[in-house]
Parts: sequence; structure tokens; C-alpha cells
Amino acid sequence: KQEVTQIPAALSVPEGENLVLNCSFTDSAIYNLQWFRQDPGKGLTSLLLIQSSQREQTSGRLNASLDKSSGRSTLYIAASQPGDSATYLCAVSLIQGAQKLVFGQGTRLTINP
Amino acid sequence: EAGVAQSPRYKIIEKRQSVAFWCNPISGHATLYWYQQILGQGPKLLIQFQNNGVVDDSQLPKDRFSAERLKGVDSTLKIQPAKLEDSAVYLCASTRGGLWNEQFFGPGTRLTVL
Repeated sequence: KQEVTQIPAALSVPEGENLVLNCSFTDSAIYNLQWFRQDPGKGLTSLLLIQSSQREQTSGRLNASLDKSSGRSTLYIAASQPGDSATYLCAVSLIQGAQKLVFGQGTRLTINP
Repeated sequence: EAGVAQSPRYKIIEKRQSVAFWCNPISGHATLYWYQQILGQGPKLLIQFQNNGVVDDSQLPKDRFSAERLKGVDSTLKIQPAKLEDSAVYLCASTRGGLWNEQFFGPGTRLTVL
């Protein structure tokens, strides 16, 4: 059974810092991995999607890496801003048929001005 | 393009009552998902539809939850009767499918069972 873990559960940093969020998964047989952002009371917004054959994806100040063999992904946020405060979730898409997502519990990020 | 629409946004009911949620996916998206997100946890898949057929409902509590997608577009999720532990946000997502298979999520319905 695929399990996804995110550490830390919560993180608070001052504005301007670079930071890394971690995601680990137990079964390396994944189709892809997505990072999402969730604001309070809102749905999920997809940030980055990495196919299993890729090593990383970049979008603006965000960079996500994937090491399938070790079951790890990281989300790097450069020059953090207060508007980055949200919960960040990673999810892996299982490889066979149904393409369903298995989520981690999320990291609640607070950027202090 | 318009995003995934859900209604209502909030619902408060007493335990043992019934409730229904509605989802309209992005136009052209054949696959639709319902997730349950309990406070402090990641979303958990309840059911997945491909057009109007069920692909995966292995984690749907079928004694009280039901879902349908009659014409392969809109979907409804029903809980009857509700329990206290059903308090959660119910998220709907859709995807076109294909290589990238990126899922797009609606704003969710927050259910409180008293």
C-alpha cells in the first residue's frame, strides 16, 4: 500500500528565505508526482507535476525534484514571500490504470514579514 | 476555461440526516474524482468515474455514501445517514486524461455534522 509522508508538518520562516519542503513515498512504482497548494477554505491548486521519467520541474520561484529510486521529492521555494503562506501537499499518481492520487498530510507554511 | 464548480460551499446538518453535494467538472474532462479531506489530513479518494462509469470506489463507505454521474458530466455525492466523523471538506476534481493527467480541483464543500 502506497504511503506518502511530508515533513515537517508546519514551518515558519522569515520573508526572503529560501526553503525546502520534503515528501517521501513508500512505493517507487509511480506514474507522476504533483505538488499542490491549498489556501484556507479553498480547493487545491496544482503547482508542479513531475512525470516519473523526469528529475525536476521549475515554475518561477518554485523547483520540484524527484528521486524515484529513493522515494523522495522536494519542493524548493526561492526568496519566500508572505503570499506563499499556505499548506503544501504532495501526491503520487499510482501507475496502473486508474491514475488515482495518494496524498501526504501536507506542510503548513507561514512566511513572516 | 471555467474551473471545477461545486455546490454548496458549506453545509451544516444534524447526525442521521442526509446531504448531497454537486460537482460540474471542466468541460471535456472525462475523469471525475470525489475526495474527502478531514481537517489536518491530505485528501483521500472516495470514488473515481471515467465518463459515467465507476473506475474505483474501493474507499467509499457504501453503507452510507453513494455517488452518480448519469450523463458523464455532472456528479452528485450523497451521504445518508450522516455521522459525526463525516465532518470534512469534500473535494471534486477532474482530468482530461492522457500523458500529463493533471488533476484540477474545485473549491470544495465543507460539511459539519452536529
